[in-house]
This record gives sequence, structure tokens and C-alpha cells, in this order.
Amino acid sequence: KAGVTQTPRYLIKTRGQQVTLSCSPISGHRSVSWYQQTPGQGLQFLFEYFSETQRNKGNFPGRFSGRQFSNSRSEMNVSTLELGDSALYLCASSLDRGKGTEAFFGQGTRLTVV
Amino acid sequence: DQQVKQNSPSLSVQEGRISILNCDYTNSMFDYFLWYKKYPAEGPTFLISISSIKDKNEDGRFTVFLNKSAKHLSLHIVPSQPGDSAVYFCAASRYTSRGAQKLVFGQGTRLTINP
Repeated sequence: KAGVTQTPRYLIKTRGQQVTLSCSPISGHRSVSWYQQTPGQGLQFLFEYFSETQRNKGNFPGRFSGRQFSNSRSEMNVSTLELGDSALYLCASSLDRGKGTEAFFGQGTRLTVV
Repeated sequence: DQQVKQNSPSLSVQEGRISILNCDYTNSMFDYFLWYKKYPAEGPTFLISISSIKDKNEDGRFTVFLNKSAKHLSLHIVPSQPGDSAVYFCAASRYTSRGAQKLVFGQGTRLTINP
């Protein structure tokens, strides 16, 4: 069974540009969440999608957005990139059958803004 | 507002001894707790979890303890092995009003097992 797949693995962008990251969840998983990991900050929750609807949103500016398609694949977009957006972006999928459903993570996309 | 805190950024333990990683939380609405392990250049992998109705869950060398009154949980690894060297994240879960499970992570603790 294939795991969570994130593309691309690495990305270098210039300040002011925009970027789109992709996540393919484990087959059958309908919940997809996005996290930002920076040194010393742990994993910060960005948003969560379920059946193409955003169910939860973290405390990030509106430059960060996402969407989910009917096949549960998800994309995350960051517009007007800033140097502070450099981070590892992780996607996680889960069955969301009930409480305690663990999330399975992809390897992440390492974004560097220069 | 850091609702889940791992106050030790790093921990060094001798191989074969016990590793104890700690985690504190502030939100009493959390009802499920998880530990994830992360190697460099990889995503976090699920390790062990515990429901708020329990105070202990064991899986092989890994045991998680939950003290609800103190809002504290800990992960015990015994005996520690070199392959356990990684960053460990504590996470707490609660259901939101929209029926979604939301995971809140701590900052992580880097565990190093010395041979």
C-alpha cells in the first residue's frame, strides 16, 4: 500500500513568488492535513481538508491556502513568498474514522525562499 | 499559545538504559495523545498513542504514561537502542465543533542514544 506522497521534495523560490505543493494521501484516506515545520517551532498546523471541504484552519495569514480534489489529493499554495516561509511542509492523511485515528505523514517538501 | 510543550529540546542517553521523554499540555479538552518519531529528511512516523481514559499504554519497548491531573505525559523507551536516535514529537488531539480531529504538536525533543 503506497504511503503519503508529496511533490516536489525540494523547492527554491524567490521572495514575492508563489508556490504550489502537492500531496497524494494513502488510498482510502479522506482527511488531509498540512503542517509547517521550522527549527524550534515543531509542527504548526496549517489546515485540514475532508471531502473537498476545509474543516480546520490554523493561525496562518491568508497567503497560505489549499484545496482538496474529489480523489482526496490536496494542494497547498503560498503566494507572495517571504523569507520566513522557508520550512519543511508536511502533509498527513488519515481515515478519520473517529477519535484517535492516527495521521500518516509524507516525507515533506523542503521550501527555501531566497 | 503553545498548548503542547516539550521543554527539553534534547536528551542524551546511554544505550541499554531507559529514555524518558516528557510532554505537558494546557488544554483539558484534549482526549487523545500520540507520539511521533522523526528522522532527518523523513516525515514523522506514528509510534504509540493513549486515550485520555487510560493512564498507561505499552507496545514493546515503548510505554506512554498519562497523568491527566498534571496534564503531563511521558514516553519511556527501554532498553534504548542506537536506532532510537531521532526527534520525538508529542501530539494532542481533540475534536473540533466541526467534527474534525485536530492534532497539536509540541516542539520536539532530539534523542541521542550513545553506544
